[in-house]
Amino acid sequence: QVQLQQWGAGLLKPSETLSLTCAVYSGSLSGYYWSWIRQPPGRGLEWVGEVNYSGTTNYNPSLKTRVTISLDMSKKQFSLQLASVTAADTAVYYCARGTLRGVKGYDPWGQGTLVTVSS
Amino acid sequence: SSELTQDPAVSVALGQTVRITCQGDSLRNYYVSWYQQKPGQAPVLVIYGKNIRPSGIPDRFSGSSSGNTASLTITGAQAEDEADYYCNSRDSSDNLSPFGGGTKVTVL
Repeated sequence: QVQLQQWGAGLLKPSETLSLTCAVYSGSLSGYYWSWIRQPPGRGLEWVGEVNYSGTTNYNPSLKTRVTISLDMSKKQFSLQLASVTAADTAVYYCARGTLRGVKGYDPWGQGTLVTVSS
Repeated sequence: SSELTQDPAVSVALGQTVRITCQGDSLRNYYVSWYQQKPGQAPVLVIYGKNIRPSGIPDRFSGSSSGNTASLTITGAQAEDEADYYCNSRDSSDNLSPFGGGTKVTVL
């Protein structure tokens, strides 16, 4: 059964770069879309972006100028970097596995990482 | 269009049936998936594809879709079904994957 485990810094100052990594256990990276989804406190889910098994990326247009998602096949990990963070980027960030055209939804999910941006 | 619209909240009496809807133009061409989220927990996939339940999801959860509207139905709602529910799909370009705003389900 595939499991995702994520980690990264939980407290950032404004203008710093958010960096999170998600490791994939007991499964292949091939054939899937590896995604990041975030949830500000008390609010709904927001799709951040994805990288597929061939390295193609798609990003939420509202974050596109600041976000980078990358895949390391050898380590079976994928990462999120979000530059120039502000308080509006405070959220729980989840990694998740998706599929082509969203046919099988997002499953599994990582445990989530609360990232707080505060001076 | 990449927008998915959900009603903010619905309530259901214990043991009764509740339907949660999700509207969006992209639903005419892409499957929707549904997620249950309880406070302090990661979302859990409950329905995907053509009304498919992942292993471990009770059969009281079912999904349907017609035109630009998808629905998640809970038949015989239980107290443990009280949660936020989100729909998700791809946008018309297949480059984005928006979520609906979420529906809070209260079991009375």
